[in-house]
Amino acid sequence: QSALTQPRSVSGSPGQSVTISCTGTSSDVDAYNFVSWYQQYPRKAPRLMIFDVNKRPSGVPNRFSGSKSGNTAFLTISGLQAGDEADYYCCSFAGSYTWVFGGGTKLTVL
Amino acid sequence: QLQLQESGPGLVKPSETLSLTCAVSGGSINTINYYWGWIRQPPGEGLEWIGSIYYSGTSYDNPSLKSRVTMSIDTSKDQFSLHLRSVTAADTAVYYCARLARAIRGVRGYYFDQWGQGTLVTVSS
Repeated sequence: QSALTQPRSVSGSPGQSVTISCTGTSSDVDAYNFVSWYQQYPRKAPRLMIFDVNKRPSGVPNRFSGSKSGNTAFLTISGLQAGDEADYYCCSFAGSYTWVFGGGTKLTVL
Repeated sequence: QLQLQESGPGLVKPSETLSLTCAVSGGSINTINYYWGWIRQPPGEGLEWIGSIYYSGTSYDNPSLKSRVTMSIDTSKDQFSLHLRSVTAADTAVYYCARLARAIRGVRGYYFDQWGQGTLVTVSS
């Protein structure tokens, strides 16, 4: 069970859009529509931002959206704000009641 | 509002067993709709799923931890526990407990929707 692959960092200016990728395998991301995304500020617990590939929990702005193509999932943040600067992690169900996280992506708002 | 709170020693000696408990408040742990999980994060690194347990006591753990994990659940106290045996410095991390939504066909999948604040456990002599 290997970690999902995410870019170590992405950046964008306020108001722009950024997309973070999350690449897995035919055994996890490609096999199930059970991809979730988490936002984490330094020294804080992760917060659920997207579940089931493209669904938003209540309270998450609609600037956050998710999608998937084959073995790669994507988190897109539009209308970037300074408060979006954080680490973002993807997670996928990997079968047999196991879960795997991505290595995390640091988002910098320029 | 559901809350989860981890507790346990902040320092564990190498080769010993790391034991943590997660207390759940604002809701019952005795539910068919959720699992209860443990996730850890070594300093400066990413998240790693450790294991999950159901109210019935059925548990699943990360194969990469080579069967060092034992989990238990006490529905009468609304708490669940993690025991990680034979720890080394590589087990030093912030340990989080979290609620894991159970997949319901046609309704929802699996996701960690509520998290504890995390507790740092250092493995050192």
